[in-house]
Amino acid sequence: DQQVKQNSPSLSVQEGRISILNCDYTNSMFDYFLWYKKYPAEGPTFLISISSIKDKNEDGRFTVFLNKSAKHLSLHIVPSQPGDSAVYFCAASDRAQKLVFGQGTRLTINP
Amino acid sequence: EAQVTQNPRYLITVTGKKLTVTCSQNMNHEYMSWYRQDPGLGLRQIYYSMNVEVTDKGDVPEGYKVSRKEKRNFPLILESPSPNQTSLYFCASRSGGGRNTEAFFGQGTRLTVV
Repeated sequence: DQQVKQNSPSLSVQEGRISILNCDYTNSMFDYFLWYKKYPAEGPTFLISISSIKDKNEDGRFTVFLNKSAKHLSLHIVPSQPGDSAVYFCAASDRAQKLVFGQGTRLTINP
Repeated sequence: EAQVTQNPRYLITVTGKKLTVTCSQNMNHEYMSWYRQDPGLGLRQIYYSMNVEVTDKGDVPEGYKVSRKEKRNFPLILESPSPNQTSLYFCASRSGGGRNTEAFFGQGTRLTVV
């Protein structure tokens, strides 16, 4: 029972273009969503988050969009840079403070 | 420097030999948790703790134990490891001041059980 799903295991994007990573969730009790970035041999690091009362949050090159009716969120990276190559995890939090993660999407930025 | 420290980083052990992976955080966070990362499954929560002496099961607790005797430490114990516990393990901590806070992760422990 995967409550948070990232259906694309991998994504390849050209440097300078937009990267769009997608995430779907099933539990309507989730009210806070986060994106984490993970490099090899390191732990995940927080990237950006969004509360369910918003539909967009922007931080520099990173923007997260939330569509509550569709139970879908996405992370946009513009412009994509080689250092953005990593595994990206979507996560959702409920009132019990539990963080539920998706399977991850490996993003590769090609020069 | 704010950090979550796990030890060891790498461990190879034999089936049935008890082991402990330590986790320590220096941010005075109330909330700590353990995850395992497996290919195609992402990060799955094993156990979590909302404060000292308060622990609860996550999604995949079978075969694991934890304790929270002090706020900063949250060790993961495998009493009788089995090969299906071969995985990459992460400890994380969060402030309990609000549930809308980011989690900080350790660097991971790669465990192989043969």
